[in-house]
Amino acid sequence: NAGVTQTPKFRVLKTGQSMTLLCAQDMNHEYMYWYRQDPGMGLRLIHYSVGEGTTAKGEVPDGYNVSRLKKQNFLLGLESAAPSQTSVYFCASSQLVQETQYFGPGTRLLVL
Amino acid sequence: AQSVAQPEDQVNVAEGNPLTVKCTYSVSGNPYLFWYVQYPNRGLQFLLKYITGDNLVKGSYGFEAEFNKSQTSFHLKKPSALVSDSALYFCAVRGSGATNKLIFGTGTLLAVQP
Repeated sequence: NAGVTQTPKFRVLKTGQSMTLLCAQDMNHEYMYWYRQDPGMGLRLIHYSVGEGTTAKGEVPDGYNVSRLKKQNFLLGLESAAPSQTSVYFCASSQLVQETQYFGPGTRLLVL
Repeated sequence: AQSVAQPEDQVNVAEGNPLTVKCTYSVSGNPYLFWYVQYPNRGLQFLLKYITGDNLVKGSYGFEAEFNKSQTSFHLKKPSALVSDSALYFCAVRGSGATNKLIFGTGTLLAVQP
């Protein structure tokens, strides 16, 4: 039981490049979330999903897209990376919306 | 709108002394409250939560938190700090509505000196 895993762990992009971050969970959770963590700002919700095939916007969705084609996977895409997207990205999952969220180890992204 | 405040960026405590990390919240309806810990270069780990019931919640690693509705607070406590408790601690709140999301505080860095 690996819990929540994220790939890659670290990535450097040039401005304008695109990439996809992958989140996978093996707990059969319905809800999945993408956050970004920036110094002094805590965690901010980018997008979330309440089930396979559904996605919704969080607090800071601009510049990101997501997809949840399979229940266990939640993908975060950056179509045209900007330096402001330099951050640490965390994925999380929970069985119910009010229940505990379990976090992945994070992806550190640097956009030059 | 719901919000969480962690008024201290950093808390310093000597090993063996009690520790408190403060959290206050604002939410409509009954709150769901959480504490998470983050060690360097790691993801967040769940410590404890308050949903309903006893105001004193016990969690992992000897931590506990006290829910105070009148003061809208949910302070994290431990009777005797360990050096290994040094980490970044996040408080989070979610309102009772079906679509409310989890809102995190900005985090408090706990430094336990030997």
